[in-house]
Amino acid sequence: DAKTTQPTSMDCAEGRAANLPCNHSTISGNEYVYWYRQIHSQGPQYIIHGLKNNETNEMASLIITEDRKSSTLILPHATLRDTAVYYCIVRVGNTGNQFYFGTGTSLTVIP
Amino acid sequence: SQTIHQWPATLVQPVGSPLSLECTVEGTSNPNLYWYRQAAGRGLQLLFYSVGIGQISSEVPQNLSASRPQDRQFILSSKKLLLSDSGFYLCAWSYGTFQPQHFGDGTRLSIL
Repeated sequence: DAKTTQPTSMDCAEGRAANLPCNHSTISGNEYVYWYRQIHSQGPQYIIHGLKNNETNEMASLIITEDRKSSTLILPHATLRDTAVYYCIVRVGNTGNQFYFGTGTSLTVIP
Repeated sequence: SQTIHQWPATLVQPVGSPLSLECTVEGTSNPNLYWYRQAAGRGLQLLFYSVGIGQISSEVPQNLSASRPQDRQFILSSKKLLLSDSGFYLCAWSYGTFQPQHFGDGTRLSIL
């Protein structure tokens, strides 16, 4: 069963912030939240990850709720090249090697 | 910088034929290596991972096998392909167990 829940699709106007939500209500205390994106016919691209605190890098910001049961990926100024499927992933299993990639959110940036 | 190479980019094979997909990583040593499969319109499924030469862990029972003959080389194989083996195969690497995984551009495999 899926460990994360994301909306199937979202639209965002070019230049606006894109806010992509993810629910992970069964997350354990030592599990990280990762975000990847995949442009059609390419391999997934790592975006950002976090455990408890909010994180920011050159691509995006990650906001994790205090109870860690949900998170939001923020692309501050969406461009057409940000159109992709975005995956929210929680590391599961004792080894930490097991990733579950669900069906993700298909984000379309509209000119 | 680190780079990951997968080949071929596309492959068309008849049912019952063997398979060998290769993945190599450059610019790092002793990486964790992974094979995933993505069926059309679905999420990624972890098939195998390796934390070192000759060490392979299988996540799902299937018609495929993996080998790691060298530190930065990961091979996905099959003796007899099935129609259900069609899909998009991705190789990935990471510095360690809880580090982000970085993916290659994948191999699109079609079984006829």
